[in-house]
Amino acid sequence: QKEVEQDPGPLSVPEGAIVSLNCTYSNSAFQYFMWYRQYSRKGPELLMYTYSSGNKEDGRFTAQVDKSSKYISLFIRDSQPSDSATYLCAMENSGYALNFGKGTSLLVTP
Amino acid sequence: DVKVTQSSRYLVKRTGEKVFLECVQDMDHENMFWYRQDPGLGLRLIYFSYDVKMKEKGDIPEGYSVSREKKERFSLILESASTNQTSMYLCASSFRQSTDTQYFGPGTRLTVL
Repeated sequence: QKEVEQDPGPLSVPEGAIVSLNCTYSNSAFQYFMWYRQYSRKGPELLMYTYSSGNKEDGRFTAQVDKSSKYISLFIRDSQPSDSATYLCAMENSGYALNFGKGTSLLVTP
Repeated sequence: DVKVTQSSRYLVKRTGEKVFLECVQDMDHENMFWYRQDPGLGLRLIYFSYDVKMKEKGDIPEGYSVSREKKERFSLILESASTNQTSMYLCASSFRQSTDTQYFGPGTRLTVL
């Protein structure tokens, strides 16, 4: 079983919708949780970074961590066509690397 | 502004050729990474380096080697390219810890014919 699971989608929503993106993980020792956004033909870039449980908000984006369920979410409010991208969750690995989910492809239609 | 650059955006090679992919970062980062990204498989770590001349195998190192002679430069080498190595290759760097932000380059789309 892969340590990080993420539904690849694609997920298509109308502009203005609330989007929920999710990942599950198996290693209860994970403490750091990240969301990266990747636009087409570009490298991923860090969007949100959360330590341990709870919520973190940044503008229209909210990252949520539920360690008891080993479940993390990214919510996008008032979604825009410019939010169309692939969203990858990531968690720390032992050593230097990160565990990435496979990414969820999101399309926001005008 | 942080920057990770990769030598080519698109590359076409023949089966059996030796292929070099170069990555340069200007952030004085300790760690550098090579990933490949394929539809349905996500990002898979090939190799990473935590210091000059140091390297660690990732999840899929077979068929690849790496070189880090200078802190800012990390090269991925395909000794004898095969068609199943057709992929998007992404380089990344991070400061020191596994929890530090990884900064990615724009990627190299490699096609092996």
